[in-house]
Amino acid sequence: EDQVTQSPEALRLQEGESSSLNCSYTVSGLRGLFWYRQDPGKGPEFLFTLYSAGEEKEKERLKATLTKKESFLHITAPKPEDSATYLCAASSGGSYIPTFGRGTSLIVHP
Amino acid sequence: DAGVIQSPRHEVTEMGQEVTLRCKPISGHDYLFWYRQTMMRGLELLIYFNNNVPIDDSGMPEDRFSAKMPNASFSTLKIQPSEPRDSAVYFCASSFMQGDNSPLHFGNGTRLTVT
Repeated sequence: EDQVTQSPEALRLQEGESSSLNCSYTVSGLRGLFWYRQDPGKGPEFLFTLYSAGEEKEKERLKATLTKKESFLHITAPKPEDSATYLCAASSGGSYIPTFGRGTSLIVHP
Repeated sequence: DAGVIQSPRHEVTEMGQEVTLRCKPISGHDYLFWYRQTMMRGLELLIYFNNNVPIDDSGMPEDRFSAKMPNASFSTLKIQPSEPRDSAVYFCASSFMQGDNSPLHFGNGTRLTVT
């Protein structure tokens, strides 16, 4: 059974304090690793797809990286507007349908 | 494109009543998903369709839940009768898979409260 585990569950940062969110996955033959951002009262919004170990993608202050067992979402010099829940999902060789983690709730204080 | 559109945004109903949630996917997308999100269990996949045909409904919790997709631009999720434990946010999402990984595009959800 595919499993995706995210840590920490919650993270509080001061503005400008860089950190990383972790996503550990156990799937049979990774097809894709996805990161989403979810704001309160909204649906998840797609950020990145990673396909193979060693791949990296960046968007503004966010950088996603991938190894054979984990993905990290690095947040550099975060701002209060980066506050949101970040969800990770993985799809396996048997299905295109992703399995979601529980998410990390990020709060960035000014 | 306006994105995935869900209605209503909020629904408050009494136990035992029928509830119908609606979804309009993004035009051209061939997959449609229904998810339920709670604090306890996170995002749970309930059912998904490919080209309007239900493919996997193993996530539907009970026979009280049913979903239909009569055409490519409309889907419903019905709960009959509703119970307080059904209270959650229900999301619809669509995607254009084309045999490859494509991200899901989510609506803004329906917050259901059953009293």
